[in-house]
Amino acid sequence: SQTIHQWPATLVQPVGSPLSLECTVEGTSNPNLYWYRQAAGRGLQLLFYSVGIGQISSEVPQNLSASRPQDRQFILSSKKLLLSDSGFYLCAWDRVPSQETQYFGPGTRLLVL
Amino acid sequence: QKEVEQDPGPLSVPEGAIVSLNCTYSNSAFQYFMWYRQYSRKGPELLMYTYSSGNKEDGRFTAQVDKSSKYISLFIRDSQPSDSATYLCAMTVDYKLSFGAGTTVTVRA
Repeated sequence: SQTIHQWPATLVQPVGSPLSLECTVEGTSNPNLYWYRQAAGRGLQLLFYSVGIGQISSEVPQNLSASRPQDRQFILSSKKLLLSDSGFYLCAWDRVPSQETQYFGPGTRLLVL
Repeated sequence: QKEVEQDPGPLSVPEGAIVSLNCTYSNSAFQYFMWYRQYSRKGPELLMYTYSSGNKEDGRFTAQVDKSSKYISLFIRDSQPSDSATYLCAMTVDYKLSFGAGTTVTVRA
């Protein structure tokens, strides 16, 4: 069966500090991978998606970036965090070529102070 | 106008009641329709998905899609306190999922 991991689970960072969140998927190969952000009381906002190693599409211009160094690894980064980057970050995957649905990881709660 | 509209609630019902959740959408290109359940501080968990108009049942859950009206629903029968969560509707075209804002449901014992 497939599982998706995210770490860390919780992170408190000062404004201006760098960020690296990691997501890995097990039990499948060549998945589509996604990063979402969920602000309190709001829906999920798609940040990035990737259809393969080194292939990243950005949905929202901002100070975040994403990378996919390995088939089942997806990293969300920032060089300098802003207060507005606080939120709940979720990684998701789905099968290729089926796009019926996406499966989410446990999330990382980020608080920027 | 948002692509997917969902009443955020909150919705509070007594144990055993039927919970009714709804979403409307504007993009007729949406192909698949899903409901996710999200417990506090957890990732969303897929409950049901469907791609055609009509009803789909899974245990106590029934998903309903009306493409002509651009309207989807989720019904939870015999609700339990463990059903207390935020329910997110979602729909997809190509690679992209569009989510509703989520409805927070509390089932009172």
